[in-house]
Amino acid sequence: DAGVTQSPTHLIKTRGQQVTLRCSPKSGHDTVSWYQQALGQGPQFIFQYYEEEERQRGNFPDRFSGHQFPNYSSELNVNALLLGDSALYLCASASRVGNTIYFGEGSWLTVV
Amino acid sequence: AQSVSQHNHHVILSEAASLELGCNYSYGGTVNLFWYVQYPGQHLQLLLKYFSGDPLVKGIKGFEAEFIKSKFSFNLRKPSVQWSDTAEYFCAVSPEPIQFYNQGGKLIFGQGTELSVKP
Repeated sequence: DAGVTQSPTHLIKTRGQQVTLRCSPKSGHDTVSWYQQALGQGPQFIFQYYEEEERQRGNFPDRFSGHQFPNYSSELNVNALLLGDSALYLCASASRVGNTIYFGEGSWLTVV
Repeated sequence: AQSVSQHNHHVILSEAASLELGCNYSYGGTVNLFWYVQYPGQHLQLLLKYFSGDPLVKGIKGFEAEFIKSKFSFNLRKPSVQWSDTAEYFCAVSPEPIQFYNQGGKLIFGQGTELSVKP
């Protein structure tokens, strides 16, 4: 058990809609990152949150936004969904005193 | 741009065969290197990591990897695979020191290698 929990595990949305995915980091971890993994591809870094601020961002449009709460949990929001947003969305957590990133099982998003 | 290349998309082996999965990265500075494994229906798990020191690193489940700086490579090896090693393997690079509280800690992944081990 990785200790990083994500919800929901699967969801289907219609093009143009908005989606919110949630992540609880492993106990003791205070930084959360989000990745998009399209079918047959490696995970792509979306952004990372620490102390409730976005610290680094990958090459994703502004339709992708996030939030980190005081309890370190995080949300990923995607607006104006496109068919190409269909993917597995992974949450990863780490602690500032450690050097290992732990991944959750992901949320499968299908856009129809 | 920083990138990671895994040479094989799909590798099929028989049990007890030796395994070597290639990984090359493009980045001129200091890197931290990782191999992750994703078993069917499960989350990404860390197999091994290299930050500094001995370039031959040993991980879990009998896996090892060798960092060859001159070749920008970090190949994964296992002397004898088992059916339970069937999974997808990802090489990843972090191009800056892992200090997540101020430096992001972004991982750049390769596209993955699917390993199928025949019993």
